Amino acid sequence: NAGVTQTPKFQVLKTGQSMTLQCAQDMNHEYMSWYRQDPGMGLRLIHYSVGAGITDQGEVPNGYNVSRSTTEDFPLRLLSAAPSQTSVYFCASSSNSLWTSGGPQETQYFGPGTRLLVL
Amino acid sequence: QKEVEQDPGPLSVPEGAIVSLNCTYSNSAFQYFMWYRQYSRKGPELLMYTYSSGNKEDGRFTAQVDKSSKYISLFIRDSQPSDSATYLCAMSPFAGGGNKLTFGTGTQLKVEL
Repeated sequence: NAGVTQTPKFQVLKTGQSMTLQCAQDMNHEYMSWYRQDPGMGLRLIHYSVGAGITDQGEVPNGYNVSRSTTEDFPLRLLSAAPSQTSVYFCASSSNSLWTSGGPQETQYFGPGTRLLVL
Repeated sequence: QKEVEQDPGPLSVPEGAIVSLNCTYSNSAFQYFMWYRQYSRKGPELLMYTYSSGNKEDGRFTAQVDKSSKYISLFIRDSQPSDSATYLCAMSPFAGGGNKLTFGTGTQLKVEL
């Protein structure tokens, strides 16, 4: 298993450009999500999905779109990049068996991250 | 005020020391508490998990939760240079919360030879 993969690893954009950050997992996980990580801010949830065709907003959704047409893929789209979107983006996935009263049966997996610089 | 507060460090300790990492939180609904370890330029990995109050031990790592004080801790015994990383606390109120976690900002730890 490759786990959670993200592409690209690094990207430079100009203000106003659009792009898609790719995320894929081969573990048949129902849950997938996108976080951004900024110095002094920790990881903040952008969007998440509980299954194919179902997405919802997290803490900081503005400026980002997502869709989940398959279980494996969860792309994050930046519609019109702004310098404030300079960050490291992490995709994560987990099985819905993670959250039981007895504790997580499986760990939550994070991808290696995409470093985005918006000029 | 952030829901989860964590001292960013950096924290530097000699090899073999006992390390104490802490988070405080304000949302009394949080019931599930996790510690993640993140090496430089890598994604976080789940290290420890605790439900409600109490202690949990796994090898050199011990996680403690005190819900009455809204305070969680991670202790690392016999620290090693390989423990040098950023440690993130995370928490959730829901059993079925999936990936909806609230993270602390992370504490950077360096274990020196």
